[in-house]
Amino acid sequence: TQLLEQSPQFLSIQEGENLTVYCNSSSVFSSLQWYRQEPGEGPVLLVTVVTGGEVKKLKRLTFQFGDARKDSSLHITAAQPGDTGLYLCAGGPNFGNEKLTFGTGTRLTIIP
Amino acid sequence: NAGVMQNPRHLVRRRGQEARLRCSPMKGHSHVYWYRQLPEEGLKFMVYLQKENIIDESGMPKERFSAEFPKEGPSILRIQQVVRGDSAAYFCASSPRLGTEQYFGPGTRLTVT
Repeated sequence: TQLLEQSPQFLSIQEGENLTVYCNSSSVFSSLQWYRQEPGEGPVLLVTVVTGGEVKKLKRLTFQFGDARKDSSLHITAAQPGDTGLYLCAGGPNFGNEKLTFGTGTRLTIIP
Repeated sequence: NAGVMQNPRHLVRRRGQEARLRCSPMKGHSHVYWYRQLPEEGLKFMVYLQKENIIDESGMPKERFSAEFPKEGPSILRIQQVVRGDSAAYFCASSPRLGTEQYFGPGTRLTVT
């Protein structure tokens, strides 16, 4: 069974600070997605990483896929209240298996 | 281009009733996935369908749950004789082809009383 562990589970920081959240697995994934989910809504896709060592930037968000494609990180620079939400990593599709395996989530709160 | 549509957004059923959840994928998407998010738990895969075919139902409970994606119309997730433990948010996602990103709908929140 493929598992994705995210850390920290909860994070509360002041506006303007930087933060990093992690997504780790013992399994190799062919690709990994990051989603953000707001209360009462569905997950919204932020980025997909597919190559080991890949780094993608989305404004103040930087996503990295580990060299071995088993882990990923999300770094947010100068956090803003609008960044508040549940951040989910999801592994897959994986080598012909179309289902996504979701991480446990990081609930981020940015305090104005 | 409209996103993934789900209805109803909220559904209340008494124990023993049937629940029908509908999902219309994004235009041009022929692959549909259903996930369930139990309270305080992560999203779990249930079933993957293409038009008129169930491809992978490994995450679906063996009893009371069924899914379809007919040639015409939305995908339907059907739960018969609902129990309190079925209370959850059910999300549908779609993708245009194999091995590509999945885009999620807003979910249906099922409450069983």
